[in-house]
Order: sequence, then structure tokens, then C-alpha cells
Amino acid sequence: KAGVTQTPRYLIKTRGQQVTLSCSPISGHRSVSWYQQTPGQGLQFLFEYFSETQRNKGNFPGRFSGRQFSNSRSEMNVSTLELGDSALYLCASSFEQGSFTEAFFGQGTRLTVV
Amino acid sequence: GENVEQHPSTLSVQEGDSAVIKCTYSDSASNYFPWYKQELGKRPQLIIDIRSNVGEKKDQRIAVTLNKTAKHFSLHITETQPEDSAVYFCAASIKGNTPLVFGKGTRLSVIA
Repeated sequence: KAGVTQTPRYLIKTRGQQVTLSCSPISGHRSVSWYQQTPGQGLQFLFEYFSETQRNKGNFPGRFSGRQFSNSRSEMNVSTLELGDSALYLCASSFEQGSFTEAFFGQGTRLTVV
Repeated sequence: GENVEQHPSTLSVQEGDSAVIKCTYSDSASNYFPWYKQELGKRPQLIIDIRSNVGEKKDQRIAVTLNKTAKHFSLHITETQPEDSAVYFCAASIKGNTPLVFGKGTRLSVIA
């Protein structure tokens, strides 16, 4: 069974640009969560999607948005990029909410804003 | 919302010694507490988890304890090996209701 796939692996963008990151969950998984990882701050929750609906949202500005498609693939978008958005963005998928099932992480997309 | 504090931020131990990482959480409704290990340049991977109806769980050299009254849980690694060197993250959630909230991580170095 293929794992969680994130594309692209690396991105370099300029301040003010926007970026879209993609996450393909494990087949059959309907829950996808996104996290921002920076040194010293750990994994900060961005948002969670389940069956195309945003179920939870973290404390990030409105420049960060996401969506989930009918095949459970998810995208996140960051508009008007700032230097502080440079980070590793991880997505995690799990089978469903309501059960104690493992969340599997992708390899992440490393975003550098210059 | 939930807040998870993790200590220490860095930990160095001699090979063969034990390592203990501690976390506290704020939301008494949290009922699921996983631990993830992230090796350098790799994705976080689940190593052990515990539910609120259990006080302790063990898997070979790794054990987790949970104190619901005090709202803290700990990861214990015995007989540490160099391959245990990594960043460890604790997390808490109300399974089925809220997402995983992570601590800021502990960088464990096992010195041969």
C-alpha cells in the first residue's frame, strides 16, 4: 500500500507570491491534516479535512487555506507569502475520525520564501 | 483549546542508559496520546500510543505512562541505542473530535 505522498518536495518562492501544496493520502483514508514544522516550534496544526469538509482549523492567518477533493486528496494554499512562512509543511492521513487509528505522515514539502 | 508542553527540549544519554521525556496537557477531555519519532530528514512515525482508559503501555524497550489526574504522560526508553537518536514528539487529542496537538519536541542524542 502506497504511503502518504506530498508534492512537490521542495519549493522556493518569492515574498508576495502564492503557493499550492498537494497531499495524496493512503488509499481508503478520508481524514487529512496539515501541519507546519519549524525549528523550535514543533508541529503546529493548520487544518483538518474529512470527507471534503474542514473539521478543524488552527490559529493561522487567512492567507493559509485548504481544501479536500472527493478522492480525499488535499491541497493547501498560502497567499501573499512572507519570509516567516518558510517551513516544512507536513500532511497526515488517517482512516477516519472516531477511532483510535494511527495518523501517517507524508515526507513533507519544504517551502523556502526569499 | 488543547495545549501540550514537552520537556526537556534536548536530552543526551549514554548508550545503554534510560531516557525519559515528559509531557503535560491542558484539556481534561483529551483521550488519546501518541508519541512520534522523527529521524533527521524523515517523516514523523508513530512509535507508541496510549488511550485514557489505560495507565501504562509497553512495547519492548519503549513504554508510556499516563496520569489523568495530573494530566501528564511520559515516554520511557530503556537500554538506549544510537539508532534511538531522533526528535520525539508527544501529542494529545480528543479522538474523533479534535486534531492532534503536538509538543515542541525533544531531541534525543544517544552517545556510544
